[in-house]
Amino acid sequence: EPEVTQTPSHQVTQMGQEVILRCVPISNHLYFYWYRQILGQKVEFLVSFYNNEISEKSEIFDDQFSVERPDGSNFTLKIRSTKLEDSAMYFCASNRASNTEAFFGQGTRLTVV
Amino acid sequence: KQEVTQIPAALSVPEGENLVLNCSFTDSAIYNLQWFRQDPGKGLTSLLLIQSSQREQTSGRLNASLDKSSGRSTLYIAASQPGDSATYLCAVMNTGFQKLVFGTGTRLLVSP
Repeated sequence: EPEVTQTPSHQVTQMGQEVILRCVPISNHLYFYWYRQILGQKVEFLVSFYNNEISEKSEIFDDQFSVERPDGSNFTLKIRSTKLEDSAMYFCASNRASNTEAFFGQGTRLTVV
Repeated sequence: KQEVTQIPAALSVPEGENLVLNCSFTDSAIYNLQWFRQDPGKGLTSLLLIQSSQREQTSGRLNASLDKSSGRSTLYIAASQPGDSATYLCAVMNTGFQKLVFGTGTRLLVSP
């Protein structure tokens, strides 16, 4: 069964360092998303991506964040200068069309120290 | 701004019971509503998607209903099993937006 794959599963980084979180969405999906979940809190939307451009982003997704689809299979989230408050579980998701079932990856737990 | 609330926050039942989880949302202009399951420290597993034009969806022992006008959805789990223990999340996608807005979840514990 097709699934969304995320790497790494856990990343520890020092404050101020850049991190890149990687995702391989389901192959015939066209819409891609990043969400995050701070421990004990709700899952929050960060950004949606379609047709090689950002289609929507939240207030959280400021200039420190960027997304890219560098080839036909990968979808990445970059945080340029990490802060302690960026520590969270980051989820990648994809769907075939914007109003169809969204499938989520297993997440990357980012710990900023 | 869409707000999604789930009640109860936690629920503990003995194995075999039928149970209902509730989800309410403030803005009824939705495309769809999706129910997920989340195991501790894990990702989100999609359970059911209901489009705004539908009233319910069924998958195995799960049945989800949607009353868009009143801003409510319920997830019914029949004959609960210990393996159903997890946090259940509902999420809505509003018309004209490409994002899911999540509730806080209901943590379910089914004891043998």
